[in-house]
Amino acid sequence: NAGVTQTPKFRILKIGQSMTLQCTQDMNHNYMYWYRQDPGMGLKLIYYSVGAGITDKGEVPNGYNVSRSTTEDFPLRLELAAPSQTSVYFCASSYSWNREETQYFGPGTRLLVL
Amino acid sequence: DQQVKQNSPSLSVQEGRISILNCDYTNSMFDYFLWYKKYPAEGPTFLISISSIKDKNEDGRFTVFLNKSAKHLSLHIVPSQPGDSAVYFCAASEDSGDDKIIFGKGTRLHILP
Repeated sequence: NAGVTQTPKFRILKIGQSMTLQCTQDMNHNYMYWYRQDPGMGLKLIYYSVGAGITDKGEVPNGYNVSRSTTEDFPLRLELAAPSQTSVYFCASSYSWNREETQYFGPGTRLLVL
Repeated sequence: DQQVKQNSPSLSVQEGRISILNCDYTNSMFDYFLWYKKYPAEGPTFLISISSIKDKNEDGRFTVFLNKSAKHLSLHIVPSQPGDSAVYFCAASEDSGDDKIIFGKGTRLHILP
């Protein structure tokens, strides 16, 4: 099992550009999440999905969009990149929302918006 | 407003000694707490958790203590090993059905040889 994979590992964007951060999991998990981690800060939830076709906003959804067409993939879309979106983005997945169910994290995508 | 606070950005401990990482929370509705460990250039990995019905949970070298009245929890690592050098995140959730985990800012632990 590869677990949770994310691409790209690192990207530099200009203000106003758009991009999609890819996330794939091969554990047949129903739940998937996107977090961002700003320097010196904890992880904040951007969006999450409880299954294919179902997504919901987290704590900091503004400036992002998501879709979940398959169980495996949960891409995060930035439409108009802003310097405030400079961060490290982590995708995670879990089998269910039993709180004792561990979330498995990908290695992260480091994004720099200039 | 930070609901989960890790007030020590970093901590240095001699190899073989005990490492104690602290975490405070403000939301009295939190009833499930987790610790995640993160190495550079990797995602966080789950370490240990505790439900509010317990005051201690142990897993090998790792023990988490929960003091509900003080809204405080701590992670003890005994004995500390070089591979324990990492950032440790405290996290909490409440049984409200909104599926969110709130993370602290993390504490960087350095294990000294």
